[in-house]
Amino acid sequence: EADIYQTPRYLVIGTGKKITLECSQTMGHDKMYWYQQDPGMELHLIHYSYGVNSTEKGDLSSESTVSRIRTEHFPLTLESARPSHTSQYLCASSYRGRGKAFFGQGTRLTVV
Amino acid sequence: AQRVTQPEKLLSVFKGAPVELKCNYSYSGSPELFWYVQYSRQRLQLLLRHISRESIKGFTADLNKGETSFHLKKPFAQEEDSAMYYCALRTDDEKLTFGTGTRLTIIP
Repeated sequence: EADIYQTPRYLVIGTGKKITLECSQTMGHDKMYWYQQDPGMELHLIHYSYGVNSTEKGDLSSESTVSRIRTEHFPLTLESARPSHTSQYLCASSYRGRGKAFFGQGTRLTVV
Repeated sequence: AQRVTQPEKLLSVFKGAPVELKCNYSYSGSPELFWYVQYSRQRLQLLLRHISRESIKGFTADLNKGETSFHLKKPFAQEEDSAMYYCALRTDDEKLTFGTGTRLTIIP
């Protein structure tokens, strides 16, 4: 089924650990996005990609990094997690030239 | 830089009353505006976009370039409309910027 998937849904991890949040879509979309969202708050764009081997920083500065080696896969990595990284991370995708974005279920990250 | 403003964080409306969620934007290029909705325990999803000029679930929104606004309206609120609503702006470089969101609560 065509969809966008994020794993894990929930993650509790200790300070200093390296983590990777997975995002995959099976809709053939070329554009993908990562947003950071605190509960009940606005979504901040932290990374986006136009396609394979394309990654851009978003409006909110983030210590995370992303890669886009395959069209369907857009993982986000934190080399050394800190409590300030505690948040919900939303992945989205869309066709280039079309505004409608599809969102994943999100990953709620807690760094202790 | 582009910006989306939703002045109301919380809005409570009685069932059957009209609803208006405000959205203003600032952008020097050609904007494409959207409303996204997030129901409880569901993922964020598109409600409507200005280029479609459609009505979804009784909601409509008109882009007013003179006032740089894209307010969301519904003449008669229903309980199932309770949700978080986000206004979003797509810029020429295809970034999608969201407002702070408005939590709409429909009072039975």
